[in-house]
Amino acid sequence: SQQGEEDPQALSIQEGENATMNCSYKTSINNLQWYRQNSGRGLVHLILIRSNEREKHSGRLRVTLDTSKKSSSLLITASRAADTASYFCATVLNTDKLIFGTGTRLQVFP
Amino acid sequence: DVKVTQSSRYLVKRTGEKVFLECVQDMDHENMFWYRQDPGLGLRLIYFSYDVKMKEKGDIPEGYSVSREKKERFSLILESASTNQTSMYLCASSFGAQLSDTQYFGPGTRLTVL
Repeated sequence: SQQGEEDPQALSIQEGENATMNCSYKTSINNLQWYRQNSGRGLVHLILIRSNEREKHSGRLRVTLDTSKKSSSLLITASRAADTASYFCATVLNTDKLIFGTGTRLQVFP
Repeated sequence: DVKVTQSSRYLVKRTGEKVFLECVQDMDHENMFWYRQDPGLGLRLIYFSYDVKMKEKGDIPEGYSVSREKKERFSLILESASTNQTSMYLCASSFGAQLSDTQYFGPGTRLTVL
């Protein structure tokens, strides 16, 4: 099974609303990364949060990490139709390779 | 900006054919990766390479091989394509000694094996 599991699997909201996606993982990590994938395209890195960090911001993105609960959340504020995409978390065990979750499909309606 | 390119966006092959998927990155990255992406299964690592002529098996290497003769180019080879290899193939690269660093992805190749 996957190291990282996103929740929900799918999310539909109206433009202007906030979108929150969650990622849970099983074992201790070095860092956790969030990626976005537009339909039929490659993934684009959004943000990396290290295990000793609790919160990180990048523009309209806010990522939190709770290592005690082994979970992370990605918040997109004031969403736009262009935010429609799939969002993946990727976790890192020690210095090993990234392990991707199965993603959350976000649909933002104009 | 980092650019990772893949030789084809769409590819249709027949069962038993030998298939080459090419990936090129222009940022002198040490690490390169091949993933396949299937609905409900997320991204699964096929092979990766941390240096020229070096390769390591990922989680699902069976039925695939790779080649890295030059630093910028990483090829995925399906020796004898089968229908269960129909998938989206994604190449990625990253800089640095750690495989866990940020990865930069190509646009993907959607392969259909008939």
